[in-house]
Amino acid sequence: KQEVTQIPAALSVPEGENLVLNCSFTDSAIYNLQWFRQDPGKGLTSLLLIQSSQREQTSGRLNASLDKSSGRSTLYIAASQPGDSATYLCAVPRENYGQNFVFGPGTRLSVLP
Amino acid sequence: ETGVTQTPRHLVMGMTNKKSLKCEQHLGHNAMYWYKQSAKKPLELMFVYSLEERVENNSVPSRFSPECPNSSHLFLHLHTLQPEDSALYLCASSRELRLERTGELFFGEGSRLTVL
Repeated sequence: KQEVTQIPAALSVPEGENLVLNCSFTDSAIYNLQWFRQDPGKGLTSLLLIQSSQREQTSGRLNASLDKSSGRSTLYIAASQPGDSATYLCAVPRENYGQNFVFGPGTRLSVLP
Repeated sequence: ETGVTQTPRHLVMGMTNKKSLKCEQHLGHNAMYWYKQSAKKPLELMFVYSLEERVENNSVPSRFSPECPNSSHLFLHLHTLQPEDSALYLCASSRELRLERTGELFFGEGSRLTVL
């Protein structure tokens, strides 16, 4: 059974700091891993999708890495801004069928001006 | 305009009411999903539809009834709900269902449901 954990649960940093969010999963036989952002009371916005054959993906100030063998992914945010404040979730497929992603509990990020 | 639109954004209903949540995707995707997000719990998959056919029902109580009339629209019909059903209900879509072709999940803004 696939289980996803994220640490830390919450993080508060001053503006401009670089930071790393962690995601761990128990079953390394995954096709891909996706990182999302969720603002309070809103839906999820896809940030990055990493295929199992890739080691990292970059979009602007965001960089996500994937280490399947160790069951880990990291989301690196460079030069953080107050607008980055949100909850960040990672998700991996539950089984080798369908799009039933298992979501982590999320990391709540606060970037202080 | 987002690719996935949900209405209503907020809904308050009594336990004896019947209401429906609507989701529409403008992305040309073939798979659509209903997720439930309760306070302090990870997202839970409720239903999956691929090309208008339900392919997964994740042990959801019968008081939740999905309907997918076409690949662009998805409904969640609600009746005789319980207060513990209060949550944010999220609709999502993806290009296809097969994992190796699926690509990304795209979510709507959600419908915040409160059951009194």
